[in-house]
Amino acid sequence: KAGVTQTPRYLIKTRGQQVTLSCSPISGHRSVSWYQQTPGQGLQFLFEYFSETQRNKGNFPGRFSGRQFSNSRSEMNVSTLELGDSALYLCASSLAGPVGNSPLHFGNGTRLTVT
Amino acid sequence: GENVGLHLPTLSVQEGDNSIINCAYSNSASDYFIWYKQESGKGPQFIIDIRSNMDKRQGQRVTVLLNKTVKHLSLQIAATQPGDSAVYFCAENIRGSQGNLIFGKGTKLSVKP
Repeated sequence: KAGVTQTPRYLIKTRGQQVTLSCSPISGHRSVSWYQQTPGQGLQFLFEYFSETQRNKGNFPGRFSGRQFSNSRSEMNVSTLELGDSALYLCASSLAGPVGNSPLHFGNGTRLTVT
Repeated sequence: GENVGLHLPTLSVQEGDNSIINCAYSNSASDYFIWYKQESGKGPQFIIDIRSNMDKRQGQRVTVLLNKTVKHLSLQIAATQPGDSAVYFCAENIRGSQGNLIFGKGTKLSVKP
C-alpha cells in the first residue's frame, strides 16, 4: 500500500507570495492532518480534515488555510508568505472516524524556503 | 534534517544494548500516546501507540510504558541496531481533539557499532 505522498518536495518562494502544497493520503484513510516542523518550535499542528470538513485547527494565523476533496486528497495554502514560514510542512493521514483515535502516518514533507 | 542546530537530548548506546527513551507529557486529559522515529530528510514514522487504559504495550523489539500518575511515557528498544539511529518523538492526543498530536521536543538516539 502506498504511503502518504506530498508534492512538491521542495519549494522556494519570495516574501509576499502564496503557495499551495498537496497531499495524497494512504488509500482508505479519510482523515488528513497538517503539521509545521521547524528547529525552534518543533512539530506544530495546523489543522485536520475529515470528509471534506475541517474538524480541528491549531494556533496559526488565517494566512494558513486548507481544504480536503471528496477523494480525501488535501491541499494547504499559505498566503502572503513571511520569512518565518520557512519550514518542513508535513501531512499525515489516519483511519480515524468520527470519534476515536488511530495512528497518524506521515509523508516526507514539503520543505518550503521563503527568501 | 529539521533538527540540525537544535539542542536535542542525545542518547548514545552501543549496538546490541537496550535503549530507553523517556518523555514527560503535559495534559491529564490526554488519552492516546504515540512514539515516532524521524530520520534525516524523512517524515516521522509510526513506531507504537498506547491508550490511557493500558500501562504497557509491546511490539517488535519495542515496548512502551505509560505512567499516568506522573505523566510519564517511555520507549524501550531491545538490542539496538545502527538503523535505530534517529530522532524519537513522543506525542500525546487530548481526548476529543481530532488529528491534533502534541509532540515532545525529541531525543536523538545515536548507536555506535
